[in-house]
Amino acid sequence: QKEVEQNSGPLSVPEGAIASLNCTYSDRGSQSFFWYRQYSGKSPELIMSIYSNGDKEDGRFTAQLNKASQYVSLLIRDSQPSDSATYLCAVFASGGSYIPTFGRGTSLIVHP
Amino acid sequence: DTAVSQTPKYLVTQMGNDKSIKCEQNLGHDTMYWYKQDSKKFLKIMFSYNNKELIINETVPNRFSPKSPDKAHLNLHINSLELGDSAVYFCASSQDTGQSYGYTFGSGTRLTVV
Repeated sequence: QKEVEQNSGPLSVPEGAIASLNCTYSDRGSQSFFWYRQYSGKSPELIMSIYSNGDKEDGRFTAQLNKASQYVSLLIRDSQPSDSATYLCAVFASGGSYIPTFGRGTSLIVHP
Repeated sequence: DTAVSQTPKYLVTQMGNDKSIKCEQNLGHDTMYWYKQDSKKFLKIMFSYNNKELIINETVPNRFSPKSPDKAHLNLHINSLELGDSAVYFCASSQDTGQSYGYTFGSGTRLTVV
């Protein structure tokens, strides 16, 4: 069974700080990784994807991938109260799977 | 202008009833999905269609029957509703089935069975 683990939180950070959200996965052959944000009572929305080891930046978001250690992280710089949401990690298993495995998400609270 | 639209947004119904949820996407995507999100926020795949063809059918009671009349529409019919069916159901779409494509989700249907 392919597993994707996230600390459920909540992770509480002050406004303006860097929020670091982590996700570990069990399938060493996984190649594609996605981060979604889900506000309370709303649907998940895609933030970004990452496929190669290293960092990928998009505005205030940076995804970090380390395949050797089997983790993917999402950093949010200059966190704002509007970033308060649950962040879901999604990982495609090796073998050409059509469907990613979602983690249960980490709840982030950014307080003023 | 909504990319993936679901109706209804809320559904409250009694045990034993039959209900349907409709989904439409205007993104031109080839692949559509039904996900169930339980009270613990876990997103579980139920079905996936690619160009109207069923490609993923997870272990879901056969009371749940999806139907895709065309690649822009995916509906979900549920027979004989049970208390345990209460959840939020999300429709989603992606450009294709490959691992490079993220999902666009609909706004969800909160189903409550009483």
